[in-house]
Amino acid sequence: QQKVQQSPESLIVPEGAMTSLNCTFSDSASQYFAWYRQHSGKAPKALMSIFSNGEKEEGRFTIHLNKASLHFSLHIRDSQPSDSALYLCAVSPNSGTYQRFGTGTKLQVVP
Amino acid sequence: DAGVTQTPRHEVAEKGQTIILKCEPVSGHNDLFWYRQTKIQGLELLSYFRSKSLMEDGGAFKDRFKAEMLNSSFSTLKIQPTEPKDSAVYLCASRPGVQNTLYFGAGTRLSVL
Repeated sequence: QQKVQQSPESLIVPEGAMTSLNCTFSDSASQYFAWYRQHSGKAPKALMSIFSNGEKEEGRFTIHLNKASLHFSLHIRDSQPSDSALYLCAVSPNSGTYQRFGTGTKLQVVP
Repeated sequence: DAGVTQTPRHEVAEKGQTIILKCEPVSGHNDLFWYRQTKIQGLELLSYFRSKSLMEDGGAFKDRFKAEMLNSSFSTLKIQPTEPKDSAVYLCASRPGVQNTLYFGAGTRLSVL
């Protein structure tokens, strides 16, 4: 059964810093990889997703995937206090199935 | 467009009670998911429906958890009987079916005493 693990469990960074969040998965046949962000008491909301090896950038956020290493990451440039939230990574084998989630990384950005 | 709506937002139950959580997906979405969220286990799949047909149900949750889609715009999750270990946030999510992005509701926080 697919295992999805995130690190670190929690992180405190100063405003303006680069933040890096990690996600590892166990099923090498996985084809869809995504990050969601959940502010306290709110619904998780999709941030970014990727299908193939490499990088994808959207604004201050970059997702990097290395299937051979069973690893993908989210990088946040110029972190802001509003980025403080729980970050969830998700993996699925293909488009027709459900996504498995990690337990999350709690990020706090301090002014 | 309205997002995913879940009711109630908070529920307190006594051990052994039956509770029903409700979800209205985004209009036009074909896929609907129920997940349970805890700090230790993260998000665990309870049920997955496509066009009202049950596609997956979380094996560990079969005995006391039952999700149904009465129609394409309404789903319920029944927990019977409740146990204190069921205390968690229950999230409902939907997606159009032609893309992978999930749209989540704000969840129902269940406390079982």
